[in-house]
Amino acid sequence: ETGVTQSPTHLIKTRGQQVTLRCSSQSGHNTVSWYQQALGQGPQFIFQYYREEENGRGNFPPRFSGLQFPNYSSELNVNALELDDSALYLCASSTGTDTQYFGPGTRLTVL
Amino acid sequence: KQEVTQIPAALSVPEGENLVLNCSFTDSAIYNLQWFRQDPGKGLTSLLLIQSSQREQTSGRLNASLDKSSGRSTLYIAASQPGDSATYLCAVGPGGSATNKLIFGTGTLLAVQP
Repeated sequence: ETGVTQSPTHLIKTRGQQVTLRCSSQSGHNTVSWYQQALGQGPQFIFQYYREEENGRGNFPPRFSGLQFPNYSSELNVNALELDDSALYLCASSTGTDTQYFGPGTRLTVL
Repeated sequence: KQEVTQIPAALSVPEGENLVLNCSFTDSAIYNLQWFRQDPGKGLTSLLLIQSSQREQTSGRLNASLDKSSGRSTLYIAASQPGDSATYLCAVGPGGSATNKLIFGTGTLLAVQP
């Protein structure tokens, strides 16, 4: 059974650019959640996808968007990057309301 | 609005000590509570999940308790080891929500001195 994987590991972008982060869920999991973790803070919920539909969203602007594919993998897209978007982006997969299993994260730096 | 607080923010103990990490939450209507471990710059490793109907869960040297009425959870680590050094995060799954989102505290940074 493979765990949750994320790509890329690290990414450096400049203000105003767009970025796409990817997540492969654990085998058998149909729900993917994305979180943003700023340095020294706990993760903040961005949104969740269940069977290819958005199933809840946190307090993030519309320039944060996502997709879930038929194989339950997912993408997080961020447009018009700002300096404050620099953070560790975590995805987690689960089945319904069970334990969430987190990937290793993508470290995004915006210059 | 649910808020999660963890105290202390940082803790340093000598190897072999038993220790308790604290987590409090403002809204007792939770679905579950989960404790995670995070090594520097890494993802989260799930340690224990307590459903709202449960009072505690145990895994090896770890024991987590939940008191919904008082809005508190504790993570007890027995016979601490240097390998336990990490940030420990608690997160609540809010009740009454169709979304399995987690609301996290800011964590306790634990250092176990050899």
